[in-house]
Amino acid sequence: DIQMTQSPSSLSASVGDRVTITCRASQSISSYLNWYQQKSGKAPKLLIYAASSLQSGVPSRFSGSGSGTDFTLTISSLQPEDFATYYCQQSYSTPPWTFGLGTKVEIK
Amino acid sequence: EVQLVESGGGLVQPGGSLRLSCAASGFTVSTNYMIWARQAPGKGLNWVSVIYSGGGTFYADSVKGRFTISRDNSKNTLFLQMNNLRPEDTAVYYCARGRYDSSGNYDYLDYWGQETLVTVSS
Repeated sequence: DIQMTQSPSSLSASVGDRVTITCRASQSISSYLNWYQQKSGKAPKLLIYAASSLQSGVPSRFSGSGSGTDFTLTISSLQPEDFATYYCQQSYSTPPWTFGLGTKVEIK
Repeated sequence: EVQLVESGGGLVQPGGSLRLSCAASGFTVSTNYMIWARQAPGKGLNWVSVIYSGGGTFYADSVKGRFTISRDNSKNTLFLQMNNLRPEDTAVYYCARGRYDSSGNYDYLDYWGQETLVTVSS
């Protein structure tokens, strides 16, 4: 199974900050990488698919990049509603669908 | 509007059974792949099972032989039958729809249910 490693596990940032979250796959997954946002007590929400494609309705301050084994999710200017946990997920070799352990973005 | 409404969670003793339901609207369950995932308290997301449009099914090793995924096309509903439950199955469970992009190459989970909590405890 492909393992997904996210870093950092948590971060503190202020409104307006640029935030970058990293995800690394245990083997090359081309661009088969998705990002989700999960707010406390809520279901995950798809943000980015195919490493860099923005899901419809998602604000343009979210962007994704990378291919192969290394990927990043960037929030260009953090907004109050962006405080949440973010997960990466590979779709290169399924099943199983494997997720990173998450990055919790907290208010500084 | 696409919606997934889950039900069926609850408190059950070890060795017991539960059946989760995921009622879909706004799309046809049988034309997409559908998954169940779970999240133990304070933990990350873990895939549990999938059913493909063609009917093929797969399971995580941790639930294989105990859980069964199925769907009722007439009710447009997904199910997860969970038998021989263990304390480590305690989690919130989500159903989600799998979707492919316009190229047909990349897939993702674009709609998720609101969650249902399963607690396995004596």
